[in-house]
Amino acid sequence: AQKITQTQPGMFVQEKEAVTLDCTYDTSDQSYGLFWYKQPSSGEMIFLIYQGSYDEQNATEGRYSLNFQKARKSANLVISASQLGDSAMYFCAIRRDFNKFYFGSGTKLNVKP
Amino acid sequence: EAGVTQFPSHSVIEKGQTVTLRCDPISGHDNLYWYRRVMGKEIKFLLHFVKESKQDESGMPNNRFLAERTGGTYSTLKVQPAELEDSGVYFCASSPQLGSGGTSLYNEQFFGPGTRLTVL
Repeated sequence: AQKITQTQPGMFVQEKEAVTLDCTYDTSDQSYGLFWYKQPSSGEMIFLIYQGSYDEQNATEGRYSLNFQKARKSANLVISASQLGDSAMYFCAIRRDFNKFYFGSGTKLNVKP
Repeated sequence: EAGVTQFPSHSVIEKGQTVTLRCDPISGHDNLYWYRRVMGKEIKFLLHFVKESKQDESGMPNNRFLAERTGGTYSTLKVQPAELEDSGVYFCASSPQLGSGGTSLYNEQFFGPGTRLTVL
């Protein structure tokens, strides 16, 4: 079975600072994909970044980067230069085939001005 | 291009009543997924359609939940009769089918805005 753990139910960060959202996963599969989604107060789920288990380099997408440590089974999301619009719920998810996602319980990020 | 849409955005019903949620995936997406998030917990998979066929319904909580996707376009999720523990946000997602020989796990799922169901 797949499992995602997000240990930070809520976090605060000062505007313009960087923040790391933790995500650890548990899987016995060798091939899998890791995703991060953002859910603002409006409710939609916005895809942020993807990391494949065989990717040797950490994924980056603009201000988002994924700190992938395969041996530790962690896939932390790093947001640089936080903006007020980054305040939202953030979900980490794992996918091991062309099928369903397994999500964590989410981290609520609040960016303070 | 229109995204995934869900209707209604919010539904408040009494225990024992029936509610039907609708999802319209992105046009041309063969894969359609239903997920549910109960307050404060993780988003959980309910089921997966490929076109009109149920590929995986291992996450359906019980037989009070019935999902359909007639014609392989939109999908409905009916809860009958609703119970208090059914309250939560129901998300629908869609993704295109990979072409033959596809090996990438990167097949992003596009999510709808969700339906917030409150059972009183």
